[in-house]
Amino acid sequence: DVKVTQSSRYLVKRTGEKVFLECVQDMDHENMFWYRQDPGLGLRLIYFSYDVKMKEKGDIPEGYSVSREKKERFSLILESASTNQTSMYLCASSPVPGQGNTEAFFGQGTRLTVV
Amino acid sequence: DAKTTQPPSMDCAEGRAANLPCNHSTISGNEYVYWYRQIHSQGPQYIIHGLKNNETNEMASLIITEDRKSSTLILPHATLRDTAVYYCIVRDYNTNAGKSTFGDGTTLTVKP
Repeated sequence: DVKVTQSSRYLVKRTGEKVFLECVQDMDHENMFWYRQDPGLGLRLIYFSYDVKMKEKGDIPEGYSVSREKKERFSLILESASTNQTSMYLCASSPVPGQGNTEAFFGQGTRLTVV
Repeated sequence: DAKTTQPPSMDCAEGRAANLPCNHSTISGNEYVYWYRQIHSQGPQYIIHGLKNNETNEMASLIITEDRKSSTLILPHATLRDTAVYYCIVRDYNTNAGKSTFGDGTTLTVKP
């Protein structure tokens, strides 16, 4: 079974802390993504990566950074957590477009609360 | 990617077919229709996709109208575990799957 695994299901952090959210996929996918999901706003793309050490900003990158040192791992970093970053964070991976079934595979999500 | 319109919510009796509609009147010729669902507190899960022919897999059937301006996802025998938010997405096959636009979807509630 294909898998995208996020390191934590629930996380509580204090304002100003540096927060790392980890995501690992076992499908050898080139592309990985980080989203946040908030009620009434749907899924919003924060950052994505199409190769090791490559990244591109999504729709809402402010306050976030990412790291992809290995193909299977994509980390989301909140440099200084703020209460408005309280949200559900979702990681996904997908193969290169056009190669077979180009569905996206999602992790279980991390519900982050910043207090 | 083309915009989609879905009803915000629907109910279905357990064991009956659930028919979830989606309008995508601005779909272009090289765009596919994808369906995902998201069960509470989990990540979205791919269900099915199609271009213009009807499609069926072990989870659902997808019916796309001849003009491709709308589609219907059919869950033939809905169970309580099918209660979820269902997202209809239209996307060019060569566009990265992770850059799909997930709107508000349809919240399907399957009732005993």
